[in-house]
Amino acid sequence: DVKVTQSSRYLVKRTGEKVFLECVQDMDHENMFWYRQDPGLGLRLIYFSYDVKMKEKGDIPEGYSVSREKKERFSLILESASTNQTSMYLCASTPLGQIDNEQFFGPGTRLTVL
Amino acid sequence: ELKVEQNPLFLSMQEGKNYTIYCNYSTTSDRLYWYRQDPGKSLESLFVLLSNGAVKQEGRLMASLDTKARLSTLHITAAVHDLSATYFCAVDMPSGTYKYIFGTGTRLKVLA
Repeated sequence: DVKVTQSSRYLVKRTGEKVFLECVQDMDHENMFWYRQDPGLGLRLIYFSYDVKMKEKGDIPEGYSVSREKKERFSLILESASTNQTSMYLCASTPLGQIDNEQFFGPGTRLTVL
Repeated sequence: ELKVEQNPLFLSMQEGKNYTIYCNYSTTSDRLYWYRQDPGKSLESLFVLLSNGAVKQEGRLMASLDTKARLSTLHITAAVHDLSATYFCAVDMPSGTYKYIFGTGTRLKVLA
């Protein structure tokens, strides 16, 4: 049973703070993703990683960076949090080379930036 | 622009009724996914459709895929209150890009 965990369910930060969101998966998946979800906008891809130390920008990377030092862990970093980054953040993983490429999602982190 | 469009965006229906959610996508895709999301929760995978004409069913939900029309449907049969949730479809991009495009979701409310 695939498990994707995220470090916090709820987080409140102040404008300008550096914020770390952690995601860990336990099924040896190669691909990991960070999305943000906002009402009426669906899920939008921030960054993804297909291997350790490899990363690719998604559709909305501005204001974010990522780190993948180990295969099971993918971190999202808000260098200087702003109020427009208040959102639900979802991490997902998927194995490489499987025919269905199904994504498995973590429980989400609801971030509020004051 | 690559788009995945769902309709309706909101759906309120009585228990026992049938309805269909539509998912149109603008690019060639190998696979289509349906997810369910309960309020405040994450996304739960419902179906993965891999080829033209694919049909999958689980309980009162049935999903189908027409790759020529770039259309997938999620059909709800005899709705019950427990099906109230937001439903998302998504497609993955051509091989090698590792990207998925999600629809904006359909919020379903089943009234008792």
